[in-house]
Amino acid sequence: DSGVTQTPKHLITATGQRVTLRCSPRSGDLSVYWYQQSLDQGLQFLIHYYNGEERAKGNILERFSAQQFPDLHSELNLSSLELGDSALYFCASSVGGTNEKLFFGSGTQLSVL
Amino acid sequence: KNQVEQSPQSLIILEGKNCTLQCNYTVSPFSNLRWYKQDTGRGPVSLTIMTFSENTKSNGRYTATLDADTKQSSLHITASQLSDSASYICVRGAGTASKLTFGTGTRLQVTL
Repeated sequence: DSGVTQTPKHLITATGQRVTLRCSPRSGDLSVYWYQQSLDQGLQFLIHYYNGEERAKGNILERFSAQQFPDLHSELNLSSLELGDSALYFCASSVGGTNEKLFFGSGTQLSVL
Repeated sequence: KNQVEQSPQSLIILEGKNCTLQCNYTVSPFSNLRWYKQDTGRGPVSLTIMTFSENTKSNGRYTATLDADTKQSSLHITASQLSDSASYICVRGAGTASKLTFGTGTRLQVTL
């Protein structure tokens, strides 16, 4: 158990809908990262928050947004969903810094039908 | 072309045998090279993290090597077990985890 909790584990929805994925980091970790893993693709970095502030953005679509709350949990919001958004979404937490070790949650499997 | 290439794509070995997985990265700059194990439907779990000054790092039966000059890394698994069946992902880092480049992984299956 990595100590990182992601909910829900599975999500099935229709095109055009909006969903929210939730992540609770390990106790004491200030950094939360969101990644997308499509079939047979390497993990793609979406966005990074540190202690409530956005620190870096990757290839995140404008339809996607995220935030980190004062209790350090984070939410990833995906709107106007398309078939191509179907993927595994992971969050990972760390204490921060260069060469930081990441602890990943078990992911949310999103299926857009 | 992926900036982190892994080979082979998949591998089947008998329990108890050793195997070596390869990783070539082409991206600069570079601050660390990581190996993760990802079970099906689960999140990746860190096996090793090597900085550019380290040539080798072990974690139990897993030993990673790094040649920063040739931009190659390998992961050697000794005395494989059925529980080693998973995808092994090579990751090149350049600073914080927002700058990680993930390979697509080698899918290892250990059989009886």
